[in-house]
Amino acid sequence: AQSVAQPEDQVNVAEGNPLTVKCTYSVSGNPYLFWYVQYPNRGLQFLLKYITGDNLVKGSYGFEAEFNKSQTSFHLKKPSALVSDSALYFCAVRDTGFQKLVFGTGTRLLVSP
Amino acid sequence: DAGITQSPRYKITETGRQVTLMCHQTWSHSYMFWYRQDLGHGLRLIYYSAAADITDKGEVPDGYVVSRSKTENFPLTLESATRSQTSVYFCASSEVKAGGTYEQYFGPGTRLTVT
Repeated sequence: AQSVAQPEDQVNVAEGNPLTVKCTYSVSGNPYLFWYVQYPNRGLQFLLKYITGDNLVKGSYGFEAEFNKSQTSFHLKKPSALVSDSALYFCAVRDTGFQKLVFGTGTRLLVSP
Repeated sequence: DAGITQSPRYKITETGRQVTLMCHQTWSHSYMFWYRQDLGHGLRLIYYSAAADITDKGEVPDGYVVSRSKTENFPLTLESATRSQTSVYFCASSEVKAGGTYEQYFGPGTRLTVT
């Protein structure tokens, strides 16, 4: 079965510093990977996806993610964090042959001023 | 442009009662999903639907019933609520596009408390 793992429950970073939120995946076949963000008391918002092509995927709000096949990773990155980036971030992978997504347990990002 | 809406946003109910959570989307997406979000578990799929009158179980379907008589609506019913069903419930929709993109779009959620 397809799965993703987010090894960090929380990531702390100072405003203006680069941030990385980690995700590793386990799939059979080609991976279809996603990042979502959830702000307090809101639903999940789509940030970006990797289907095929360039290993560096650019998404909303200045976020990008790097697909690394050899390390089976899909880490979310941003060059300069903002306090407003503080939120819960979910990595997800498409389930084999289905429209379903399998989500990780989430990583809380806290950006301090 | 309403997108995807859920009602109610907050609900408190008693153990054993039946409760229905509503989900409505305005995009005419084929696929709709119900998830529950619990601390330490992330999002877990309860049920999904590929089209009107086509539904299937997800990871945690026990105690829940769904129906989809119209493309735009996908209600979730807890037939006899239990305290373990206290959670935040999210509805989502998606459409298969050329190239196989599968991103899902989420509603704002319903916070359900079972006392």
